[in-house]
Amino acid sequence: TQLLEQSPQFLSIQEGENLTVYCNSSSVFSSLQWYRQEPGEGPVLLVTVVTGGEVKKLKRLTFQFGDARKDSSLHITAAQPGDTGLYLCAGSKYNNNDMRFGAGTRLTVKP
Amino acid sequence: NAGVTQTPKFQVLKTGQSMTLQCAQDMNHNSMYWYRQDPGMGLRLIYYSASEGTTDKGEVPNGYNVSRLNKREFSLRLESAAPSQTSVYFCASSSKGANSEQYFGPGTRLTVT
Repeated sequence: TQLLEQSPQFLSIQEGENLTVYCNSSSVFSSLQWYRQEPGEGPVLLVTVVTGGEVKKLKRLTFQFGDARKDSSLHITAAQPGDTGLYLCAGSKYNNNDMRFGAGTRLTVKP
Repeated sequence: NAGVTQTPKFQVLKTGQSMTLQCAQDMNHNSMYWYRQDPGMGLRLIYYSASEGTTDKGEVPNGYNVSRLNKREFSLRLESAAPSQTSVYFCASSSKGANSEQYFGPGTRLTVT
């Protein structure tokens, strides 16, 4: 059983559509990070959230940390083919040394 | 800056063979990490090194050993490879700080037959 459950596992949408992916846990985290990974490459950090209820925006991407710091969501507005990739959430209770990753959501945006 | 580099990019081993995966970073980071990524499992931490001269076990250390050769280099050794170690291995590094960004290498795809 994954400590962090991500849903959906796969998502295929048309360019211009909006989408939300979720990262849920029964554990409380001190921080949660979102990464994007492209085929043949390592993950790249998108954002870190540390405060319950926190909302961060990165262009068309909006990240929210749940009030209880157990879950998070990533919303993409007007998706583009360049958004295609594997989106991973990762939570830690203390620091990077205890970080746990979810299995990821594989997003495909069709032109 | 090359960031985090890993060698080799691909490797095929027979059961029982040994090998060392190499990782180097040029960002003067204190902390380095080894992860494995398997389908449906996400990334799992194998070992980490919080600073030069120290190493600690992560979530899945069995069957692996590590060496923090100096501040730049952190290697992962499989002494007797098993099919269950077929995976993609990523090295990462970060500066000090509880939630500082981890920079990942491009990965090594290892197959054990």
